[in-house]
This record gives sequence, C-alpha cells and structure tokens, in this order.
Amino acid sequence: SAVISQKPSRDICQRGTSLTIQCQVDSQVTMMFWYRQQPGQSLTLIATANQGSEATYESGFVIDKFPISRPNLTFSTLTVSNMSPEDSSIYLCSVVTSGVANTGELFFGEGSRLTVL
Amino acid sequence: DAKTTQPTSMDCAEGRAANLPCNHSTISGNEYVYWYRQIHSQGPQYIIHGLKNNETNEMASLIITEDRKSSTLILPHATLRDTAVYYCIVRPRGNFNKFYFGSGTKLNVKP
Repeated sequence: SAVISQKPSRDICQRGTSLTIQCQVDSQVTMMFWYRQQPGQSLTLIATANQGSEATYESGFVIDKFPISRPNLTFSTLTVSNMSPEDSSIYLCSVVTSGVANTGELFFGEGSRLTVL
Repeated sequence: DAKTTQPTSMDCAEGRAANLPCNHSTISGNEYVYWYRQIHSQGPQYIIHGLKNNETNEMASLIITEDRKSSTLILPHATLRDTAVYYCIVRPRGNFNKFYFGSGTKLNVKP
C-alpha cells in the first residue's frame, strides 16, 4: 500500500490567484495521477505526472492552467492557475505503487478542497 | 474504452447483503473490472477487481457474468459505515492511464 499526503487539505482563494498543491508518497511509485472532483460530481482525470518530463494531459485540461511537476518518484505538485469560482473542487493525487503493476491498484490521497471566491 | 452503467442510488438494510450491479456490455477481452468506493469527504478506496472469474476478499465479492457484460459487487453484511458512492471501472490490462470514473452508485445503508 501507499500513504499519500496532500497539502493543503483545504484552502479558500481569491479569483485570479494561483495555488500549488503538493503530493508526497511514503514509497516509490510507478505512476502518479491528478484528479479533480467538482461538487457533487464524480472524479475526472486531469493528467499523468511523469517524472522528469512534461505531464500527459487529458482532453480538456492544459498545461498553462494546470502545470504539474514531478521531480522524483515520491513527490508531485499540481498548480491551479488564474483561478475562477469554476475551479472550486477537490483535487486528488493518486498513485500506482511499484511492485503491483499487474493489479494496477490505485491509492488516493485525502484530497485538497479548494474554494475560489 | 468500455463504458459502465450503474444505478444512481440504492438502499440497503443494515446487516443485509448489498448487491450493486454494473453494466459494461462493450467490455473487451483484456479489460479488468475494478470497484472503488468513496466515503463522504475521503479519497476513493480500492475494493476489488477481476477479469473473468469471481473474486472474493475481506471486503466484498465480485461476480462477473460469463459473457463479462455485467458484474455485481456484493457486500455480504452491510453496515452503516458502508454508506458511500461505489464506482465500477473498466480498465485495459497494463494501461494505468485509463482509470476513468463514471457516476457511480450511492449506497445508503439504513438501520
């Protein structure tokens, strides 16, 4: 298994500002992902965080709005840029740990609840 | 990727078995069926997964039909703490990018 810590757990931000969310895992992981969960909705995959290279974004998500870094095997950041109230969501970091590649079990952090005023 | 269809919500009496259905009629031969649940305000939690055989673990059982077009997650003795949104996901083997969540089923366990 993996223990995933996200910071901040919640924040209230002003329109037009940017916020960086951190994801720290207690073990080396094969893959890291970022999801968004808008109020009352299911989870939507934003991107795959690739170590040492640019993230792979899903349709509808772009690097300028959601820049992602992954400097090593246990850490990643997601920035939500130039925020608007529509960005109010829970942002979740998830990982696939090394050694369970065949089962592909995803582990999730507790999420970062972002409210944009 | 195969799409899944689940009922929006279900009720279950505490102590009884909860049977949550999932339709994945376009599933292909190399796609697994995964179940996750999300308890309010928490990150999703893995429950179980399978390819074609029925599976059981300490949390639940997964029954996959012979044609693989549908499956049922069974919580044998539901408790109030099992109240959550349950997601059925179909994922190609080895393709970890493809964990797409549908709308899920809100299970309400009632005393």
